[in-house]
Amino acid sequence: SAVISQKPSRDICQRGTSLTIQCQVDSQVTMMFWYRQQPGQSLTLIATANQGSEATYESGFVIDKFPISRPNLTFSTLTVSNMSPEDSSIYLCSVGGDRATEAFFGQGTRLTVV
Amino acid sequence: LAKTTQPISMDSYEGQEVNITCSHNNIATNDYITWYQQFPSQGPRFIIQGYKTKVTNEVASLFIPADRKSSTLSLPRVSLSDTAVYYCLVGDYGTLTFGKGTMLLVSP
Repeated sequence: SAVISQKPSRDICQRGTSLTIQCQVDSQVTMMFWYRQQPGQSLTLIATANQGSEATYESGFVIDKFPISRPNLTFSTLTVSNMSPEDSSIYLCSVGGDRATEAFFGQGTRLTVV
Repeated sequence: LAKTTQPISMDSYEGQEVNITCSHNNIATNDYITWYQQFPSQGPRFIIQGYKTKVTNEVASLFIPADRKSSTLSLPRVSLSDTAVYYCLVGDYGTLTFGKGTMLLVSP
């Protein structure tokens, strides 16, 4: 299993600003994933972050809005840029496990944009 | 990835066995069936995974019929702390697609 730490755990931000969320894993992993979970909803994949290459974004998510860094095999950041109240969500970092469809998640970052 | 269908919500009482069924009619040969549990303000937690027949661990059992078009997560003797959202996923290695999940409410 993998232990994932996310920072911050929560934040309240002004609209128009940006927030960078950090994700630290206790082991080296090839792929890291970023999800968004809007209030009362399921998880939606934002992007897949591979070390040494640009992140792959899912439909509806763009790099200008959600830039991702992946400087090494244990760390990644997701930035939510030019925030609006619609960006208020929980953002989750995840890594895969050894088994198919096995994944480990961080505690999430609860973002409120006012 | 195969689409999954599961009940939106279920209610139970402490000490009862709870069975949550998930339909996945379009499951592919290489797909596994995996269940996750999510408590409020936490990320999802892997519960159990199977390919066919029955799998049991310290938390739950997973029943998969021969045609693999559905699966049933069985939680024995639930407690209040089992109140959570349970997600059924099917797929192979790669990204995960979460459905709407089943909100299980356990009452005293």
